[in-house]
Amino acid sequence: GENVEQHPSTLSVQEGDSAVIKCTYSDSASNYFPWYKQELGKRPQLIIDIRSNVGEKKDQRIAVTLNKTAKHFSLHITETQPEDSAVYFCAAPTLMDSSYKLIFGSGTRLLVRP
Amino acid sequence: DVKVTQSSRYLVKRTGEKVFLECVQDMDHENMFWYRQDPGLGLRLIYFSYDVKMKEKGDIPEGYSVSREKKERFSLILESASTNQTSMYLCASSLSFPDNQPQHFGDGTRLSIL
Repeated sequence: GENVEQHPSTLSVQEGDSAVIKCTYSDSASNYFPWYKQELGKRPQLIIDIRSNVGEKKDQRIAVTLNKTAKHFSLHITETQPEDSAVYFCAAPTLMDSSYKLIFGSGTRLLVRP
Repeated sequence: DVKVTQSSRYLVKRTGEKVFLECVQDMDHENMFWYRQDPGLGLRLIYFSYDVKMKEKGDIPEGYSVSREKKERFSLILESASTNQTSMYLCASSLSFPDNQPQHFGDGTRLSIL
C-alpha cells in the first residue's frame, strides 16, 4: 500500500520569502498528486494537483514539482503573504478493492511572518 | 461549485451513546469519504463508498460503521462512542471517472465525547 511522508511539520518564513514543502511516496503506481490548504477552522481545499505525465505545474505563486524516479513531489510558494498561513497537506492515491483512495501526509503548518 | 454539507459543526456526546454524523453532497458524485483529523496525524480514512449501498473500510474503521442509502448522503455511525473518538471528522466526495478526481471536503464536525 501507499505511504506518504511530509516534511517539515512546521515552517516559518518571512513575508516575501519562498516556502517549500516536500512529500515522498512509496507506491510507484501512483499517478496523481494533489495539495490541499486548510486555513484555521476551515475545510481543506485543493490548491493544485499534478499528474505523472508532467514534471512541473504552476499556478501564479504556487508550483508543484514531481520526480517519479525518486518518488517525491514538492509544493513551492513564492512571494509568500500572510494569507498563505495555513496547514498544507499532500496526498497520493492507492488502489484498494478496485477503487482509488487518497493517502494524506501528516501536514505542514506554514506561518508567514509580516 | 461543489457543496458538501455536514449536519453539525460541533457536537458533544457521552460515552456509550450511538452517534450519527451526516454528510450530503449536491454534485451527483459517486465517491464519498469519511476522515478523522487529529493533530500531527493528517487525515486518516475511516470508510468510503463508491456507490449507493456500497462501502469499503479505510485505514481506521474500528468502532465506526457507515450507511449510504442514497447517492447524495453518506452517514458515519459511532456504535458506542468512546473518549478516544473525540476528533474532527471530515466528509468528502469526488467523481469516480476518470480516475483520480479531486476530493471536495465539508466544513467538518468537531466531536467531543465526554
